[in-house]
Amino acid sequence: AQSVTQLGSHVSVSEGALVLLRCNYSSSVPPYLFWYVQYPNQGLQLLLKYTSAATLVKGINGFEAEFKKSETSFHLTKPSAHMRDAAEYFCAVSKPSGGYNKLIFGAGTRLAVHP
Amino acid sequence: DGGITQSPKYLFRKEGQNVTLSCEQNLNHDAMYWYRQDPGQGLRLIYYSQIVNDFQKGDIAEGYSVSREKKESFPLTVTSAQKNPTAFYLCASSPGGDTQYFGPGTRLTVL
Repeated sequence: AQSVTQLGSHVSVSEGALVLLRCNYSSSVPPYLFWYVQYPNQGLQLLLKYTSAATLVKGINGFEAEFKKSETSFHLTKPSAHMRDAAEYFCAVSKPSGGYNKLIFGAGTRLAVHP
Repeated sequence: DGGITQSPKYLFRKEGQNVTLSCEQNLNHDAMYWYRQDPGQGLRLIYYSQIVNDFQKGDIAEGYSVSREKKESFPLTVTSAQKNPTAFYLCASSPGGDTQYFGPGTRLTVL
């Protein structure tokens, strides 16, 4: 069964530091993988998605993620954090279910950025 | 501009009352979804619809009902049977592939 594990419910970095948010998945078939961002009291915004093309996926706002099949990981990174990156980030995997692709979400990682 | 709208943004209701949350999209997407979000948890699927006049239960459908009479609209009713309805509710739509696009959400508080 597909599942998603996000390591670390809270991550804190200094402005300008590297951001690394971890996501591991389990999947019996090659997955589609997603990262979404949620700002307070707002909906989820798609950051990037992996659909079996390039293993390094570039998204919006300077974020990127690398698909590593051997590690079943899809970690999200950004070289230099900005204050505006403070938000909650969700990793999701697509699972075939009853003729459509269901999204399974991780529990989320809240990113804090301090001056 | 194309997008997904949810109304209202904040909703307060007394215990035992039914309440309906609105979700409208003008993206011409076939599929629509309702999720519930609780603090510290990911999103849990309540109901989804792949086409007009058809919908299926998700993982936590008990105490909720939906309709899909128009492609653009997918309202969610939180009934009095839902034991713990206070939560943030998110609507999403999809053109039929894997990617889902989300609305801004409705925060429901039951007093």
